[in-house]
Amino acid sequence: GENVEQHPSTLSVQEGDSAVIKCTYSDSASNYFPWYKQELGKGPQLIIDIRSNVGEKKDQRIAVTLNKTAKHFSLHITETQPEDSAVYFCAASKRADSGYALNFGKGTSLLVTP
Amino acid sequence: DAGVIQSPRHEVTEMGQEVTLRCKPISGHDYLFWYRQTMMRGLELLIYFNNNVPIDDSGMPEDRFSAKMPNASFSTLKIQPSEPRDSAVYFCASRGGQGGTGELFFGEGSRLTVL
Repeated sequence: GENVEQHPSTLSVQEGDSAVIKCTYSDSASNYFPWYKQELGKGPQLIIDIRSNVGEKKDQRIAVTLNKTAKHFSLHITETQPEDSAVYFCAASKRADSGYALNFGKGTSLLVTP
Repeated sequence: DAGVIQSPRHEVTEMGQEVTLRCKPISGHDYLFWYRQTMMRGLELLIYFNNNVPIDDSGMPEDRFSAKMPNASFSTLKIQPSEPRDSAVYFCASRGGQGGTGELFFGEGSRLTVL
C-alpha cells in the first residue's frame, strides 16, 4: 500500500518567518495530496489540497507544491503567526472521491514563537 | 450541520474490559473512517465503510477490534478485551462520495486510556 513519509517531525520558527514541511510517497498511482491541520484537542481539518494535474496551489499564506516525478510534495506557510502552531499532516491517495482511503504521514508539530 | 459526533470524549478503563466507541457521521456522507492516533504511529487507518458496508479492515490490529455500521447515521468501534497498548485517540471521519471534494471531516476524537 501507499507509504507517506513526512519531515521534519518538529519545527520551530519565529513569528513572521516561513515554514516548510516535506512529504514523500511511494505509490506512483497516487494523485490526490491533501494537508490537514490539527489543533490541540481537536480532530484534523483540511487546509489545502492538490491534485496531480497541477504543480502548485496557493491559498493566502499557504501553498503546496507537487513533484510527481520525484514523488514528493511540500507545504509552505509564509509570514507565520502564533495561531499557525499546530500539528500538520500530509496525506496521499489515488482519488479524492472514490473508495480509496487517505494514508497520512506521521505529522509535523509546528511551533511559532512570538 | 453539527459535524461528526463522537462519544465518549474520554474513556478510562481497566485491562480486560470491553470498550465501545460511537460515531455519528455527517448526514449525507456515504464514507465513514475509523483512525487511531498515537505518538509513535501517527494516524493509522483502522477500517472504512461505504454505504454502511465495510470496504477495508486490513488496518484493524487484532481480532479484539471490531467495527459495525448498522445504518447510515451510526457506527461503533469495539475493543474486547482491551489492553494498555490500545490507549490512543480514536477518530471517526466521514466524507461525501462520488463528485465530492474528497475532504475528510473528523470528529473531535475519543481518548481511550486502558490501565
